[in-house]
Amino acid sequence: RKEVEQDPGPFNVPEGATVAFNCTYSNSASQSFFWYRQDCRKEPKLLMSVYSSGNEDGRFTAQLNRASQYISLLIRDSKLSDSATYLCVVRAPSNDYKLSFGAGTTVTVRA
Amino acid sequence: GAGVSQSPRYKVAKRGQDVALRCDPISGHVSLFWYQQALGQGPEFLTYFQNEAQLDKSGLPSDRFFAERPEGSVSTLKIQRTQQEDSAVYLCASSPHISADHNEQFFGPGTRLTVL
Repeated sequence: RKEVEQDPGPFNVPEGATVAFNCTYSNSASQSFFWYRQDCRKEPKLLMSVYSSGNEDGRFTAQLNRASQYISLLIRDSKLSDSATYLCVVRAPSNDYKLSFGAGTTVTVRA
Repeated sequence: GAGVSQSPRYKVAKRGQDVALRCDPISGHVSLFWYQQALGQGPEFLTYFQNEAQLDKSGLPSDRFFAERPEGSVSTLKIQRTQQEDSAVYLCASSPHISADHNEQFFGPGTRLTVL
């Protein structure tokens, strides 16, 4: 079983729509969680960290559910520029440098 | 400021050839990571350096893979006797700290390796 699993999508949504997707992680002792964004043929870039209480960054909201071991990302008022692959990332509990990435969820926002 | 740079950006190798991939991290960054990203997958951890010390090489897929960072800055990932299954994008990332919560890793653009 993979450490981090994501629905690959694609999620095709119109501009202005809300889109949400989850990922699940297998190690209950994991401590840190992130969403990275990767544009086609580009490098991953940190979108936001995910805090236990949930957090927002503009139109993006991240939630963590430790009991069910899943993380969610919600994008409100989608823009064309939000089209990308969103990678769910978990930091290993045994050390604080090793990141485990999901395979990514692809979002396409259409005009 | 300058980000992480990698060279070459693209590399085509014949099966059995040796290749060397270079990473220039952000100046002053202590931590350096190599990842392998196959098509349609997320990056997979290969190895980690703290300055010049290779502290974790648990993700290297075989003994054909070797990484070094002799002076604690530039790093080279070498793959000997390349195989078709080595075809992937090799990403380098650096981070300013040894360890910290929410310690962002900054990625380079990657080297796309194709083994024929």
